[in-house]
Amino acid sequence: GAGVSQSPRYKVAKRGQDVALRCDPISGHVSLFWYQQALGQGPEFLTYFQNEAQLDKSGLPSDRFFAERPEGSVSTLKIQRTQQEDSAVYLCASSPTGGYSNQPQHFGDGTRLSIL
Amino acid sequence: DQQVKQNSPSLSVQEGRISILNCDYTNSMFDYFLWYKKYPAEGPTFLISISSIKDKNEDGRFTVFLNKSAKHLSLHIVPSQPGDSAVYFCAADTGNQFYFGTGTSLTVIP
Repeated sequence: GAGVSQSPRYKVAKRGQDVALRCDPISGHVSLFWYQQALGQGPEFLTYFQNEAQLDKSGLPSDRFFAERPEGSVSTLKIQRTQQEDSAVYLCASSPTGGYSNQPQHFGDGTRLSIL
Repeated sequence: DQQVKQNSPSLSVQEGRISILNCDYTNSMFDYFLWYKKYPAEGPTFLISISSIKDKNEDGRFTVFLNKSAKHLSLHIVPSQPGDSAVYFCAADTGNQFYFGTGTSLTVIP
């Protein structure tokens, strides 16, 4: 597709369950980012990949959060033993070249995660 | 700590008039600034950006102004159109990470 694709669009899980969120970046984009957006807030950085390498995971809130991009294209964000505070919209973004500098990121429509 | 702040949660403007959205930042290491537009249930869409070496960038109806001494960024939309109604996020880049404001909801009244 032409844009960043995320699936599922909505996910409801019971507290304690594991979830996996998928991101298909724009074809050929080197950089991939995950963000968490709580209600009424701006997106907050979680982690960054350059190709298959996870170069920055400083935003992951706990060791229950894990992200991978094994072949340098599709990425999966996994949350283990979900808690209610994990409820948020999870956004994926990609950009054409490596690094952050001076280039916009292109966002998907997000996955809205609700933990009951 | 919130390094990028949008102090106005909402703004209403008449169609055809100018919309001015404001953003303040605290980190002097930011060297690239962006504005994103977001409709409900969609991801943010890139609108316009500016490098820290410039003080103005224009693209059609959209102009971004940067005042580095005041650490202030603004987005001007003129003339405003009903389709501009959305949430606008400013973002700033240190070269290592993007930081977003909390957004301003713009309503353009026909």
